Amino acid sequence: EADIYQTPRYLVIGTGKKITLECSQTMGHDKMYWYQQDPGMELHLIHYSYGVNSTEKGDLSSESTVSRIRTEHFPLTLESARPSHTSQYLCASSELGTSEQYFGPGTRLTVT
Amino acid sequence: AQKVTQAQTEISVVEKEDVTLDCVYETRDTTYYLFWYKQPPSGELVFLIRRNSFDEQNEISGRYSWNFQKSTSSFNFTITASQVVDSAVYFCALSEARDNFNKFYFGSGTKLNVKP
Repeated sequence: EADIYQTPRYLVIGTGKKITLECSQTMGHDKMYWYQQDPGMELHLIHYSYGVNSTEKGDLSSESTVSRIRTEHFPLTLESARPSHTSQYLCASSELGTSEQYFGPGTRLTVT
Repeated sequence: AQKVTQAQTEISVVEKEDVTLDCVYETRDTTYYLFWYKQPPSGELVFLIRRNSFDEQNEISGRYSWNFQKSTSSFNFTITASQVVDSAVYFCALSEARDNFNKFYFGSGTKLNVKP
């Protein structure tokens, strides 16, 4: 069983607020990922990281930012939340590029 | 162009029926990996299988089996004797050597409804 955690699981917040979605893994994986997914729909990669101090943007443009100061931690920040940011955000990690990705439980964000 | 196509948006079966979920992929790389994931209503993606492009052997794990055919660029997933607990959205994914395997390309998913 994968050890990857996301908090909060659910978040309802007003427009304009700054939020940080937390993701941590205890497997020592170098690679970590953030996906955005509307319920039951396709996953879109928004950020990924090869390791500490490396971050890259994914295929879907996102107003969020990420940081990777520690191997186990990969938080995602929205400086000013908008209703268009309402979605599910999934964090994942993998040992190698050729390995399967392990996913966290997700954060369901609603911006009112 | 879509790298991974799951043409079946939604499938409904009655418990104990067999069901096959289709996955067609597109890549120019000779080295790539294919994956299947299950996403139950709780939302978490559960890894089911990984297959590399050099291994075309079919695989069986309990009621699950996978048929990989490079000639048709397909990696289909069959559930035998389906159960209500199999109800979920299933995603097929591809990673390629050209990206150093750093990206997963997911299909749009197939929602499976298994009715009692």
